[in-house]
Amino acid sequence: DGGITQSPKYLFRKEGQNVTLSCEQNLNHDAMYWYRQDPGQGLRLIYYSQIVNDFQKGDIAEGYSVSREKKESFPLTVTSAQKNPTAFYLCASSAPGRVGSWEQFFGPGTRLTVL
Amino acid sequence: GDSVTQMEGPVTLSEEAFLTINCTYTATGYPSLFWYVQYPGEGLQLLLKATKADDKGSNKGFEATYRKETTSFHLEKGSVQVSDSAVYFCALFYAGGTSYGKLTFGQGTILTVHP
Repeated sequence: DGGITQSPKYLFRKEGQNVTLSCEQNLNHDAMYWYRQDPGQGLRLIYYSQIVNDFQKGDIAEGYSVSREKKESFPLTVTSAQKNPTAFYLCASSAPGRVGSWEQFFGPGTRLTVL
Repeated sequence: GDSVTQMEGPVTLSEEAFLTINCTYTATGYPSLFWYVQYPGEGLQLLLKATKADDKGSNKGFEATYRKETTSFHLEKGSVQVSDSAVYFCALFYAGGTSYGKLTFGQGTILTVHP
């Protein structure tokens, strides 16, 4: 079945450590996104990528980094520079370019907790 | 910039009650509008969408009509079930200008349905 997988489901990190969250899709979508979800604040866009080897900062990119070396994969690194990284992280993908194709498909999420 | 405002929650209803969750938006041009649902511990799933004024999106008994004159996209269901308990997000997408690929979300509304 086509879909988006994120791993791990739960992640614990000590302060000062970098961690990388995995996101893989087999939907053959060109565009991929990372969102952060905090209680009562909806979803905020961290980074997005429209095509392989290209990505753009979203609204809250500070303290995060991404890469897009393959169409299927869009890993997110939460660096030690991110001041408040504890949150639920959601990855999404879409197939822009076709009329009405702006729907974004979401993965199950990774809950990151900084100890 | 683009923004989405949802009615504040949480919303608590009895089974078979009528549901309305208000959503209004501010956007440049004519966006596409979406309702997403998030069940506990999961990612977001698209519930319904509307891509132009006066369109009605519907799915699983939920409906929402794109009202350009009032810039609204209110979610309704005639008879809710316990299984509808979730967080509901209103979102918009506008493909013009520099906002390519970005969904703008409301803050989410928690719905709890009691037997």
